[in-house]
Amino acid sequence: AQSVTQLDSHVSVSEGTPVLLRCNYSSSYSPSLFWYVQHPNKGLQLLLKYTSAATLVKGINGFEAEFKKSETSFHLTKPSAHMSDAAEYFCVVSVSRDKLSFGAGTTVTVRA
Amino acid sequence: GAGVSQSPSNKVTEKGKDVELRCDPISGHTALYWYRQRLGQGLEFLIYFQGNSAPDKSGLPSDRFSAERTGESVSTLTIQRTQQEDSAVYLCASSPRLAGGPRIDNEQFFGPGTRLTVL
Repeated sequence: AQSVTQLDSHVSVSEGTPVLLRCNYSSSYSPSLFWYVQHPNKGLQLLLKYTSAATLVKGINGFEAEFKKSETSFHLTKPSAHMSDAAEYFCVVSVSRDKLSFGAGTTVTVRA
Repeated sequence: GAGVSQSPSNKVTEKGKDVELRCDPISGHTALYWYRQRLGQGLEFLIYFQGNSAPDKSGLPSDRFSAERTGESVSTLTIQRTQQEDSAVYLCASSPRLAGGPRIDNEQFFGPGTRLTVL
């Protein structure tokens, strides 16, 4: 079985400083991993995905994530936070050919 | 192009009433999913439709919940005899079915959701 744990329910950063959102997964095989973002009153949007190619994945809006099999982690980072990054972020693992399992989410606030 | 749409955007109902939520997927997307998102929690899978195959209903929490889909178009999620614990945002997503090997990039495209409040 697969599951995903987001280690921080809330992250607060100052504008211009780095953002780190932590995610660990458990899996009986090498999964596909995703990060989705949900802005207030908007639908979820795919940020990036890992599907067994390069372990460092670059996504939209300057985000990237690194797949570390030895640590079963898929942490999301951005070098410099922007006010528009304030949102909820979900780490997601593919549990079958067509089904996803979502983490509980991390709320990011950005201070001016 | 048009994305996934859902209606209504908000629904307030009284305990015990039935509600019907609608999802219009992206045209041409064969797969359609329903999720429930309770306040402060991640998404909970409810049901999955893929083309003309039998739906995967493994996530439905009780027999009060049901869903239908007409071909590869509109889907409706029905909750009968609503309870207060049914209050949540109900999200619909669609994705194209991609041919290929065992690893498939199944990006899902989400609608804005229906916020259901049961009083």
